[in-house]
Amino acid sequence: EVQLLESGGGLVQRGGSLRLSCRTSGFTFDMYGMNWVRQAPGKGLEWVSSIVGSGGSTYYADSVRGRFTISKDSAKDTVYLQMSSLRVEDTAVYYCARRGNYVAGAFDFWGQGTMVTVSS
Amino acid sequence: DIQMTQSPSSLSASVGDRLTITCRASQTINSDLNWYQQRPGTAPKLLIYGASRLQGGVPSRFSGRGSGTDFTLTIYSLEPEDFASYYCQQTYSPPFTFGPGTRVDI
Repeated sequence: EVQLLESGGGLVQRGGSLRLSCRTSGFTFDMYGMNWVRQAPGKGLEWVSSIVGSGGSTYYADSVRGRFTISKDSAKDTVYLQMSSLRVEDTAVYYCARRGNYVAGAFDFWGQGTMVTVSS
Repeated sequence: DIQMTQSPSSLSASVGDRLTITCRASQTINSDLNWYQQRPGTAPKLLIYGASRLQGGVPSRFSGRGSGTDFTLTIYSLEPEDFASYYCQQTYSPPFTFGPGTRVDI
């Protein structure tokens, strides 16, 4: 059974840093791209970042480029999102999601999310 | 970057209704279009991938169509558990943008 479990969310002051983790199980980790998607309170979904299965390529939304870094540890089957220079507008539930290895590469499995609150 | 739009942004419906949500991409994305359902307080769930392919375990009352820039999600005969928000997403090229969502209320 595929499982994704996020952790690391919490309350942080503006300008601070936080590292989110997404521990995975039930699939061959290095065969799949992984993603972070966020949702501000009462708002829609916003794609944040992606990393390919090999870890060789990463992608970022303009809103976080230069402040957030996605990485993965294959020994731990875990993907990370290092967030720095946090802004109030980064407040959101952060989901990790697996990108399926088939037509369109949709995000086929999602974690339950972890809340990040940036205070001013 | 590819922009995604959806219409309507919200709608009211009843059990048994048929409804259609429209999604449009700002440039061609072939069939790299996916639909997700999100119930309040829960993570999104993949319904349709590749514009028209039903994800495993998703009821057949959900149907997706389209290619290029224009896509639709149709729910034939709404069930109580279908009252939720629906998002389209393109995975043609990063950033993998989502549409703004459509909320389906009773």
